[in-house]
Amino acid sequence: LAKTTQPISMDSYEGQEVNITCSHNNIATNDYITWYQQFPSQGPRFIIQGYKTKVTNEVASLFIPADRKSSTLSLPRVSLSDTAVYYCLVGTISNFGNEKLTFGTGTRLTIIP
Amino acid sequence: DGGITQSPKYLFRKEGQNVTLSCEQNLNHDAMYWYRQDPGQGLRLIYYSQIVNDFQKGDIAEGYSVSREKKESFPLTVTSAQKNPTAFYLCASKSHEARETQYFGPGTRLLVL
Repeated sequence: LAKTTQPISMDSYEGQEVNITCSHNNIATNDYITWYQQFPSQGPRFIIQGYKTKVTNEVASLFIPADRKSSTLSLPRVSLSDTAVYYCLVGTISNFGNEKLTFGTGTRLTIIP
Repeated sequence: DGGITQSPKYLFRKEGQNVTLSCEQNLNHDAMYWYRQDPGQGLRLIYYSQIVNDFQKGDIAEGYSVSREKKESFPLTVTSAQKNPTAFYLCASKSHEARETQYFGPGTRLLVL
């Protein structure tokens, strides 16, 4: 599985747009990029997934450049409830349930009032 | 109300004792997973099961055992051979549909007395 590198922590003020970048230089052709959010003492929650270019859903956008060696999770107009750890994962999505998700230490995002 | 449930929320283990963590899902997912999370760290895969009556070791299987007798259930036993069992344990499940992601339960925190 491709190794990922993310900032250890980030701070932002409420109402701002937050961009968290993940580096994955060894991404393979069949790999997808997936982001999870985790609150303390809870299980991770899926945010967004993409393969290339841009993906947008109701909570976030994911920007992936043409070389796919990095990706950026964008959270628009953050609130205090967005304070959490955000994990970037890269790996092949299996139809048979045998993929292994590799979670790094993630990015601890703190939203300041 | 579909989802993944884990019980208990907190579990205490005495030295030399085996304990079993419960994971149940009613999402009709084929694959199920167990992860361990230590403070400030990412998740590490213990065991996973793609179908009933079949399971594979993850990255840190030593000191743990699992069974998958029913599609809905994937219990994890922390044996006395696991010398450092204090951690947050997370169960996840996934459909075999293409590009489906893993859904996580609320977790069980295991503490050694």
